[in-house]
Formats: sequence, structure tokens, C-alpha cells
Amino acid sequence: DVKVTQSSRYLVKRTGEKVFLECVQDMDHENMFWYRQDPGLGLRLIYFSYDVKMKEKGDIPEGYSVSREKKERFSLILESASTNQTSMYLCASRMSTQETQYFGPGTRLLVL
Amino acid sequence: SQKIEQNSEALNIQEGKTATLTCNYTNYSPAYLQWYRQDPGRGPVFLLLIRENEKEKRKERLKVTFDTTLKQSLFHITASQPADSATYLCALDRSRGSYIPTFGRGTSLIVHP
Repeated sequence: DVKVTQSSRYLVKRTGEKVFLECVQDMDHENMFWYRQDPGLGLRLIYFSYDVKMKEKGDIPEGYSVSREKKERFSLILESASTNQTSMYLCASRMSTQETQYFGPGTRLLVL
Repeated sequence: SQKIEQNSEALNIQEGKTATLTCNYTNYSPAYLQWYRQDPGRGPVFLLLIRENEKEKRKERLKVTFDTTLKQSLFHITASQPADSATYLCALDRSRGSYIPTFGRGTSLIVHP
């Protein structure tokens, strides 16, 4: 079974802090994704990565950056956290030849 | 731009009945459509994928149909159980041939014992 893990289930940070969210997958998937999910807005794509050291902006990249130094790990960075980044963050991975995405359990981030 | 519509109102049904959820889309002709299940506070879990040349797909108590003329997919759960209560998301490719999906906002299903 594919396993996607995220470093924290819950996180509380202060405005202006730099925040790192880590995601690791164990199935050698080429593609990885970061989404945020907010009530009434659904899943919105922040960034994705086709492969190591490659990244592409999604629909809402402002205020975020990403890093993919190793194939199994995809990090989301909030350079200076703001209250409007309070959200549920979901990581996903996928084989490049298949449509199905496998999601992690999510990190619920609260920015005070 | 493409638009995906799922009923924002929760669907309440009685245990044992068939639940039917709808996913409509506009301004687009997707090559495939997926359905995911999401439990509160958890990540979505893939259930079924149906391609544009397929009319229907089944997996155990689940059935998905894909009507490209109506631009609609129906997701059925037969003999529903309280454990089926969750939010169900549909997703389609954001451009033809793309492996990156766009998700609908989901419909909550509540199955009453």
C-alpha cells in the first residue's frame, strides 16, 4: 500500500514565523502535490513537483515556496506565516503514468 | 474555464437505501473523472476512476456513471451503511491529457441507522 506521511497533524504558529511542512511518500512516486483545503472552497493546488528539484506553481502559490531535494520528500514552506494561511494542508503523490493521487493525513495549521 | 459542481447540501439517507451523488461540469470535456472519499480531518482516499469512453464502472457496492453528453457523473452506493457517511469529492483532469486533477467541493453523505 502507498503511504504518504506528513510531519505534523496539528501545528500552531505565530504570524511572521517561517513554517515548514514536510511530506514523505514511500512508493517511489515521481509526482508530488501540496493542496490547502478550506470550508466552502474545496481543495486548491498550491504547488506540485514532477520530479526531484522540479517545481511548478499551482493555483494559489503566493506566500508559499516548496523544496524537493529527494524523490520521496516534498516540503512546503510558508516564508512568513499570516493568519489567512490558517488551513488544512494536504500532500499527495502519484506515479507519473497514473491519474490516481494518494493523499497524506493532512496538517491542520493555525496561525495566530 | 472549467467548472465542477457538486451539491453543497448534505445528502441524508436511511441505511440500506441507495445513495446517489452528482457531479456536473461545464466548459470542458474531461478525459477521465475520479471519485474520492474524505472523512473529517483526513486526506481524501481514491475510490474509482472512469474514462470518457466508459459509461459505467463498478466496485463492490459502488457504481459510477459518466455521461459526456449531459456532462455529468453519478456516484451510487448501494445498500448504504452508516460507515459510508463521509464527504465524496469528484475530480477531473484540468486539461485533456493532464494528470493534474481539479477537485469539486464535495458532497457530504449521512447515512442514518
